[in-house]
Amino acid sequence: GAGVSQSPRYKVAKRGQDVALRCDPISGHVSLFWYQQALGQGPEFLTYFQNEAQLDKSGLPSDRFFAERPEGSVSTLKIQRTQQEDSAVYLCASTDFGLAGPGELFFGEGSRLTVL
Amino acid sequence: AQSVAQPEDQVNVAEGNPLTVKCTYSVSGNPYLFWYVQYPNRGLQFLLKYITGDNLVKGSYGFEAEFNKSQTSFHLKKPSALVSDSALYFCAVRVVSNFGNEKLTFGTGTRLTIIP
Repeated sequence: GAGVSQSPRYKVAKRGQDVALRCDPISGHVSLFWYQQALGQGPEFLTYFQNEAQLDKSGLPSDRFFAERPEGSVSTLKIQRTQQEDSAVYLCASTDFGLAGPGELFFGEGSRLTVL
Repeated sequence: AQSVAQPEDQVNVAEGNPLTVKCTYSVSGNPYLFWYVQYPNRGLQFLLKYITGDNLVKGSYGFEAEFNKSQTSFHLKKPSALVSDSALYFCAVRVVSNFGNEKLTFGTGTRLTIIP
């Protein structure tokens, strides 16, 4: 597709369930980012991939959060044993040349997770 | 820590009037600054960025931003507001880790409402 695609758009989980959120970046984009956006807040960095390598996972809030990008394209963010504080919109973004280059960071529409 | 601050949670402007959305930064070295816009239930869309060069940066939808090093500011401006400009606006700064990995750090956002 032409843009970054995320699925599901909406996910309701019971506390303690595991969830998986998928991101399809723009074809050919090397860099992929995951952000968490709580209600009324700005996006908070979670993790960064360059191709299949996860180079920065400093923003993952706990070991319940896990991200992968095994073939350097599609990425999955997995949250184990979800808690109510995990409720947020999870945004995926990709870029080709990096943040200081001629390209920009393209965002998907996000996956809204609600944990009951 | 390198960061941006958006001092106003909400800005209201009458249609046709000039608008300003404020952003200040705290960065060591030369800042790379960005503005993104978010419409309801949508991902973030890139508006403009400052990397180097002319202090007045022009972007999408008639927006521009002025980089002011002495005031450490990067305010977003538009000469004549449209109702369709109503959205959530985020200022962001590129942060590079000790390992050379980059990411965007966002402000808390400013909700802009254009009043017909």
